[in-house]
Order: sequence, then C-alpha cells, then structure tokens
Amino acid sequence: DTAVSQTPKYLVTQMGNDKSIKCEQNLGHDTMYWYKQDSKKFLKIMFSYNNKELIINETVPNRFSPKSPDKAHLNLHINSLELGDSAVYFCASSPIAGQSSYNEQFFGPGTRLTVL
Amino acid sequence: AQKVTQAQTEISVVEKEDVTLDCVYETRDTTYYLFWYKQPPSGELVFLIRRNSFDEQNEISGRYSWNFQKSTSSFNFTITASQVVDSAVYFCALREHFGNEKLTFGTGTRLTIIP
Repeated sequence: DTAVSQTPKYLVTQMGNDKSIKCEQNLGHDTMYWYKQDSKKFLKIMFSYNNKELIINETVPNRFSPKSPDKAHLNLHINSLELGDSAVYFCASSPIAGQSSYNEQFFGPGTRLTVL
Repeated sequence: AQKVTQAQTEISVVEKEDVTLDCVYETRDTTYYLFWYKQPPSGELVFLIRRNSFDEQNEISGRYSWNFQKSTSSFNFTITASQVVDSAVYFCALREHFGNEKLTFGTGTRLTIIP
C-alpha cells in the first residue's frame, strides 16, 4: 500500500491556467508538507500543516494556496500558472512527537508540473 | 538560520570503488536532526538515515556508513564497493528541534557509478 500518494504524477498545462495537485497519506501522521524541487534539483519547503492548521509558509506567492480538508490530505492549488512554476512538487508527512520515526519525513512520488 | 552545504556537485567513480559524499551543516540549535535521502533517476526521494545531534555514534548499514562529527559540523556518507544501482542524487538535510519542523536540504550530490 502506498504511504504518501500524489495525483497527478505529471501535469502539463498552459500559462495562466489554474491547477491542483492532491496529496494523501495513510500513515496516520499529523503533519504534512509541500516541497518544490526546481530544475537544478534544489529542494525547498513551501508549506506545512499540522492537524489541518498552517504552520509554515515560506514566502510562497499568493497564487499558491494549500488546503487541508483533514489531516490525511493536503492539496496544493496554483492560480495563474507561470513558466517559473515548472518544477517537481513533493508532498511529505511526518508523525507527531512521541511516535517512533518522529522527525522523519516520508515523501510522495512527486508531481512533475510543466507550464508551457 | 539553518544551512546545509554539499560542496560536491557531481562525483563519478568506477564500480566497486568506495566513495564519500560530504555534508556540512550550520545551526544555532543544540538539538537537531540530520538526514540523508537518495533520489534515483526515477525521481522519488528515498529515506536513508536519520541521526540525532546527541548521538555521535557512526552507523553502518551494509555498504553504507555515516560519519557524524559535531566538532566539524559534518555528516558524511560513504558507500563501500559502489554499484551501478547507487547512481543517484544524494541529499543531506537538517531539521532543527525548536524550528518549525521543516527540512532544509543541501543542493545534492549527483553520484554516477561507471560500470
């Protein structure tokens, strides 16, 4: 069974469109994250949610809006897509303090977004 | 602010050679956690190891070993008897204990094992 899943795996779209990427984890974790990996492979945190509450927002443009309907899901909606948004987006989750493997982050397979 | 430096951008070695990937970190926290992740050509991020700042014991797992030295703020990764399947981008990462739980990644080292 997949622990952290993302859909879609690939997303090709035109500049100016709005798109969403979905993330689900079945690990029972309380914290979920979105990371962006650019063309040079640099990985950077974008957002983090703990039990549906936003705890990290790393100066990401307002066009990016995460939504967490429940603690097992963290979706990423992007408005007015730009060429520079092309990247691989990784979702991750981690358990709460006190659980084994605390501090580890488990990553999804990534979503490759290409903006034309 | 926390920072991770992987000075080696790319490394190529011939199969069966040993190779060490360097990682140097900066943090103001006295408690922190260090990680290594592997990203093979297929693109997923594979967790390799976590090390807590209060545990300086080196670790060996099969052909992999990690050398954690707080005195030099380094957490180096050695692959012994490298294999073609080890070809990947390897990331070192840091998480501060009193931070906001984010992982700060180094820029990665692309390792190519030549058959």
